[in-house]
Amino acid sequence: NAGVTQTPKFRVLKTGQSMTLLCAQDMNHEYMYWYRQDPGMGLRLIHYSVGEGTTAKGEVPDGYNVSRLKKQNFLLGLESAAPSQTSVYFCASSYSGQGTGYTFGSGTRLTVV
Amino acid sequence: RKEVEQDPGPFNVPEGATVAFNCTYSNSASQSFFWYRQDCRKEPKLLMSVYSSGNEDGRFTAQLNRASQYISLLIRDSKLSDSATYLCVVNVYGGSQGNLIFGKGTKLSVKP
Repeated sequence: NAGVTQTPKFRVLKTGQSMTLLCAQDMNHEYMYWYRQDPGMGLRLIHYSVGEGTTAKGEVPDGYNVSRLKKQNFLLGLESAAPSQTSVYFCASSYSGQGTGYTFGSGTRLTVV
Repeated sequence: RKEVEQDPGPFNVPEGATVAFNCTYSNSASQSFFWYRQDCRKEPKLLMSVYSSGNEDGRFTAQLNRASQYISLLIRDSKLSDSATYLCVVNVYGGSQGNLIFGKGTKLSVKP
């Protein structure tokens, strides 16, 4: 099984451009998450979803939008990229929200210039 | 006070050494606890869950002290391959931060 797959793995954007990061999981997990990881900041939750058609804001949602139209996919959108959004983005999924560990994708390294 | 706090390190130890990492959490309602491992430029991976009675997995031992809101990870007979960042993770069900709260991690470097 592939687990959690993120695309693309790397991307360079110019300020103001838009893009969508795709996360796909094949484990039939209900819960999916988008994190960003910056040096010295640890993992910070951007948005999450507790099931198909639902999304919720995390700790740092500003500048991002998400959609969960299909259970297996969770999309993260940047409408107008800013240099402050330069980061490594990780998607994760879990079977439930209570006490189960997460499976992470391999990450997307995004640079906004 | 941050929800999950860890000593960032780095811990530089020789092969074969025993090393211990500590972590404190602020939310007394936390229900589940984990240690994750993250290699350089890779995704975090679940190392082990932490149970109230303490648990062991080979060279790794995890302990939980609910009264002190304290979690530990002990690594015995360190290997070069143990070099990584170790993330302390706490489950807080509900709330705006989702379910798992991650510490910033403790970096371990095992030297020959």
